[in-house]
Amino acid sequence: EAQVTQNPRYLITVTGKKLTVTCSQNMNHEYMSWYRQDPGLGLRQIYYSMNVEVTDKGDVPEGYKVSRKEKRNFPLILESPSPNQTSLYFCASSSRLAGGRVGELFFGEGSRLTVL
Amino acid sequence: QQQVKQSPQSLIVQKGGISIINCAYENTAFDYFPWYQQFPGKGPALLIAIRPDVSEKKEGRFTISFNKSAKQFSLHIMDSQPGDSATYFCAATPYSGGGADGLTFGKGTHLIIQP
Repeated sequence: EAQVTQNPRYLITVTGKKLTVTCSQNMNHEYMSWYRQDPGLGLRQIYYSMNVEVTDKGDVPEGYKVSRKEKRNFPLILESPSPNQTSLYFCASSSRLAGGRVGELFFGEGSRLTVL
Repeated sequence: QQQVKQSPQSLIVQKGGISIINCAYENTAFDYFPWYQQFPGKGPALLIAIRPDVSEKKEGRFTISFNKSAKQFSLHIMDSQPGDSATYFCAATPYSGGGADGLTFGKGTHLIIQP
């Protein structure tokens, strides 16, 4: 089954304790991206990756890191989480179409993070 | 910054009625307009999409209307059902990805269909 898998689905942590949210896709997609969803603010992009070893900042990258060492994996790293990073996080992947356009996005089921 | 403005933020419609969600954009380079549907506890999923070479696209009870001159597009849900209750996101992207992915989302509409 084609899917994007995120872990953990739920996490409560404390300020400053490093954490990693993993994301893996089994569709051989070149493009992967992380979003955070907050009430009233919709989906905001954190980082994206067009291919292995190619990453770039989205709209809200501060406080986050990513890496793309393998095509299927795109972990999101919070080096020193703060309460303003409490949010619902989504990983997404897509194939790239002719001309470089990103195609249909396939989202994971989300990771709800609470930072105390 | 590229923007897609979506309204309303929330919407309550009676079962059997028509739900209408509107989006407006500024960047004339946008030429692909998808809508994503998100059920509680799930990630968004592509619902329907349109290119600006047509003014309307229909898939079942879901229709996108597109007005290129006004830079607006809307989602109509005919005969709305309780199972349509979800959050809907419009989005836009230019054809050429270039160095950025160019995908811009609206802020979402929380739709409730009352039985």
